[in-house]
Amino acid sequence: DIQMTQSPSTLSASVGDRVTITCRASQSISSWLAWYQQKPGKAPKLLIYKASSLESGVPSRFSGSGSGTEFTLTISSLQPDDFATYYCQQYRAFGQGTKVEIK
Amino acid sequence: EVQLVQSGAEVKKPGESLKISCKGSGYSFTSYWIGWVRQMPGKGLEWMGIIYPGDSDTRYSPSFQGQVTISADKSISTAYLQWSSLKASDTAMYYCARGGGYNYPQGAFDIWGQGTMVTVSS
Repeated sequence: DIQMTQSPSTLSASVGDRVTITCRASQSISSWLAWYQQKPGKAPKLLIYKASSLESGVPSRFSGSGSGTEFTLTISSLQPDDFATYYCQQYRAFGQGTKVEIK
Repeated sequence: EVQLVQSGAEVKKPGESLKISCKGSGYSFTSYWIGWVRQMPGKGLEWMGIIYPGDSDTRYSPSFQGQVTISADKSISTAYLQWSSLKASDTAMYYCARGGGYNYPQGAFDIWGQGTMVTVSS
């Protein structure tokens, strides 16, 4: 099975910072990569699908890029509502998550 | 409104059986995969399996194959996750989520249920 590896595991940042999270696949997955945001006690929320398509209603400060085995989620200007845990997913595999904390 | 509504929290003893549910509304339930995702306390998300309610095509993660059963009743737009003999290690939050259309089992989960907390303790 394909393994997904996210980095970093934790990220400390300030409001207004540009933030990048990386997800690497153990083999090529074309563009079948999604990104989710999860806040404590809540269900995950889809942000990005097919590597770079923004889900309806998601702020444009979120963007995704990549193909093959390396993918990134970028938040262009971190907002207070963005402090959460982020997961990448390819079909049967989720990454281990990246917690974005207040610096 | 497109939504998935899950059954309520459960407290069970080891060895007991359990079936939790996920009811879809606001869309064609038979036209999208439904997935189940486990989240153990303080841990990440784990993909358990998916079912296509239109024809009950079901795919499991190797980690969960034989441990759980995923099913669906399209007449009432409801998917199920069941255990025949629970273990303490099954204690977790379980989410259902809507995936892609039939040709896209690898599609992203765009609609999520609110989660069902299952606690297994003697």
